[in-house]
Parts: sequence; structure tokens; C-alpha cells
Amino acid sequence: DAGVTQSPTHLIKTRGQHVTLRCSPISGHKSVSWYQQVLGQGPQFIFQYYEKEERGRGNFPDRFSARQFPNYSSELNVNALLLGDSALYLCASSSSWHPNYGYTFGSGTRLTVV
Amino acid sequence: TQLLEQSPQFLSIQEGENLTVYCNSSSVFSSLQWYRQEPGEGPVLLVTVVTGGEVKKLKRLTFQFGDARKDSSLHITAAQPGDTGLYLCAGLSLTDTGNQFYFGTGTSLTVIP
Repeated sequence: DAGVTQSPTHLIKTRGQHVTLRCSPISGHKSVSWYQQVLGQGPQFIFQYYEKEERGRGNFPDRFSARQFPNYSSELNVNALLLGDSALYLCASSSSWHPNYGYTFGSGTRLTVV
Repeated sequence: TQLLEQSPQFLSIQEGENLTVYCNSSSVFSSLQWYRQEPGEGPVLLVTVVTGGEVKKLKRLTFQFGDARKDSSLHITAAQPGDTGLYLCAGLSLTDTGNQFYFGTGTSLTVIP
């Protein structure tokens, strides 16, 4: 069975550009969460979506947005990229919206902003 | 802002030794999870603890959730080189404004053969 898949795996963007990251959850999982992990730190929560509705939002600026599609895949969009947005962006899926359920992470998208 | 502080930040031990990693917060969580992450990969879930005082054992790993649901510990017995990795705790909260997930600062473990 396929796990959580993220694309692209690596990406280089210029400051000021926008970027779209994609995530396909495990089959049957309806919840998708997004995280930003800066080198040397733990992941920081950005968004959680369940059944196409936002269920949680972390402390990130409005430049960050996301959506979930009817097939439960998700996109994370970041506008007006800053150098500080360089990080590993992780997607995790779960069968439920409830935070007590386990999450399966993808391998992430490494974004470099130059 | 990191709500969860892990200690130690780095740990290097010999194969066969025991170790404990701590995850502390002033906040109460609905549940707490432990993950292990290897370079270039996403975190892999080890355990979820939900009830205050709960203890879970997975082979050589023992996880404990504090009575007040604010802290947790991970104890590894007879560490092996395969245990090497970044250990992350994650506190999960169900609030009126939605779910919140907070990862700890991480503990980088190296087990030397």
C-alpha cells in the first residue's frame, strides 16, 4: 500500500515567488496536516484539514494557505516567499480529525528559497 | 514558540546502555505522541498516550504520560545502533478554535556500537 506521497521532493524558488506543494494521503485517510520543519528543529504545525474543511491552524502568516480536494489530497500554497521559508515541508495523514489518532508522515518537500 | 521542551537535546551512548528522554510543558494536552525521525525522512509514530499516568511498553521502549498530562518520558533499555535517530514528542490539543499540534525541540540520539 502506498504511504503518504508528497511532490515535488525538492524545489528551489526565488524570493518573492509563490510555491504549491502537494500531498496525497494514505488511501482511506480523510485528514491531512501540514508542518514546516526548519533544520535542527522540531516540526511546526501549519494546517489541518478534514473532509475539505480546516480543522486547525498554526501560527503562520496569511501568505500560507491550503486546501483539501474531494479525493482528500491537499495543496499547501505559500506566496511572496522569504528566505526564512526555506525548510522541509511535511504532510501527515490520519483516518480521523481527532488529535488522539496517529499520524503517518510523508518524506517531505525540501524547499530552498534563494 | 516551543511549548514542549525536550531534554537532553543531544545524547551519545554505548550500545547496551539505558537512557531516558524527557518532554516537558506547562500546558495540558489531550494526548501526547512520540515519533522517531531519520535524516531525509518524515517522523514515524512510535506511540500515542492519552490518559494521565498511562504507561505503554513497546519491546525495549517504555513511554509514560504524566498524571497532569503536561509531560512525558521515553525510556529505552539496552539501546542498539538501530535506535539512533531524532526523537520528537508532540502534544495534541483539541480547542474551541480547532486542533493544535505542538512538536518538541527534539532529542538527537546516537548509539555507538
